[in-house]
Amino acid sequence: DQQVKQNSPSLSVQEGRISILNCDYTNSMFDYFLWYKKYPAEGPTFLISISSIKDKNEDGRFTVFLNKSAKHLSLHIVPSQPGDSAVYFCAASRRSSNTGKLIFGQGTTLQVKP
Amino acid sequence: DADVTQTPRNRITKTGKRIMLECSQTKGHDRMYWYRQDPGLGLRLIYYSFDVKDINKGEISDGYSVSRQAQAKFSLSLESAIPNQTALYFCATSDPGPTDTQYFGPGTRLTVL
Repeated sequence: DQQVKQNSPSLSVQEGRISILNCDYTNSMFDYFLWYKKYPAEGPTFLISISSIKDKNEDGRFTVFLNKSAKHLSLHIVPSQPGDSAVYFCAASRRSSNTGKLIFGQGTTLQVKP
Repeated sequence: DADVTQTPRNRITKTGKRIMLECSQTKGHDRMYWYRQDPGLGLRLIYYSFDVKDINKGEISDGYSVSRQAQAKFSLSLESAIPNQTALYFCATSDPGPTDTQYFGPGTRLTVL
């Protein structure tokens, strides 16, 4: 039972354009969401997060949007750069449980073409 | 120097062998986690630990065991490796606080023949 789903295994965009990565979740108890980026031969690195009390969080070129009613979040990268090419994982947690456990999606491979 | 280190980085072993993967951290975090990554499945939690005396099973703990030797060290063991344990294994750390951000090591690629 996949509680966090990234239905697009891959995405290809042109340099300078917007990249939009999507993530859906099923558990309404999730109250914190994170995006991680992973390069080959490296571990995932934290990118950006959002609490369920917000619907948008922005950090430079990266913006995460949360639609709680649809149980959907998205990561926007504007403008996309070739160095953004990586696998992106969304993750969700129940901060109220105080376990620190993250549930990850399957990942989306982003390729930004020069 | 890396905050979270894993050894070995790559390992090839045979079915039935005992394998230990090690994780060390210098971040001073209390919480440590072991995940495995498989193609199309993302990262799945194997075990997690809040301190030396607190070990908890994750969603896929069967066939694995762990040891928290110190705050900074968390080892994952495969008592009798089988081919479907071939995967990328990641260790992560975190501290309780306003976010659940976890910090990952570089991973160990394990192949069981």
